Amino acid sequence: AQSVTQPDIHITVSEGASLELRCNYSYGATPYLFWYVQSPGQGLQLLLKYFSGDTLVQGIKGFEAEFKRSQSSFNLRKPSVHWSDAAEYFCAVGARSDYKLSFGAGTTVTVRA
Amino acid sequence: NAGVTQTPKFQVLKTGQSMTLQCAQDMNHNSMYWYRQDPGMGLRLIYYSASEGTTDKGEVPNGYNVSRLNKREFSLRLESAAPSQTSVYFCASSESGPRGELFFGEGSRLTVL
Repeated sequence: AQSVTQPDIHITVSEGASLELRCNYSYGATPYLFWYVQSPGQGLQLLLKYFSGDTLVQGIKGFEAEFKRSQSSFNLRKPSVHWSDAAEYFCAVGARSDYKLSFGAGTTVTVRA
Repeated sequence: NAGVTQTPKFQVLKTGQSMTLQCAQDMNHNSMYWYRQDPGMGLRLIYYSASEGTTDKGEVPNGYNVSRLNKREFSLRLESAAPSQTSVYFCASSESGPRGELFFGEGSRLTVL
């Protein structure tokens, strides 16, 4: 079965600074990879996804992520954060053979002025 | 367009009581899911329904039952609630199974005393 690790529980970043959130997965083959964002009191919204092909994927709200097979990683980046990026971010991995999507524990991002 | 609608949004139960969480989607999606979210543990899949007429266990199915009533509706039932089932529950739907974007409801916060 697949699994996901998000090593950072909480990250604080200044507005305008860059942001990188780490995600490591465990799966025997090439998985489906996702990043979701959750604002307080809301459900989750998809930021971006990777299935195959170009390992650098672009998402909404200026986010991008890079799939690195050799490191089993799918890190999320944003060059310049805005106060509205304060939220909880979840990495998720799915197997191509079934419907079960496994989520990491999440990283909470705080943006300071 | 309502998307995924969950009811109720808040519920307090006593140990041993039963209740049903309702979920409906208006996007004509085939797949539907129930997750629970607990602090530090991310989202864990309880049950899913790949298509109308089918349901399968996820990661943490014990103590829960589900019904895929029709293509739109997928309910989650707690027959005898336990304090360990205190959580926030999310319903989600997807058009294309493991490849597809999950669309989430706003969540149902359940407290079991």
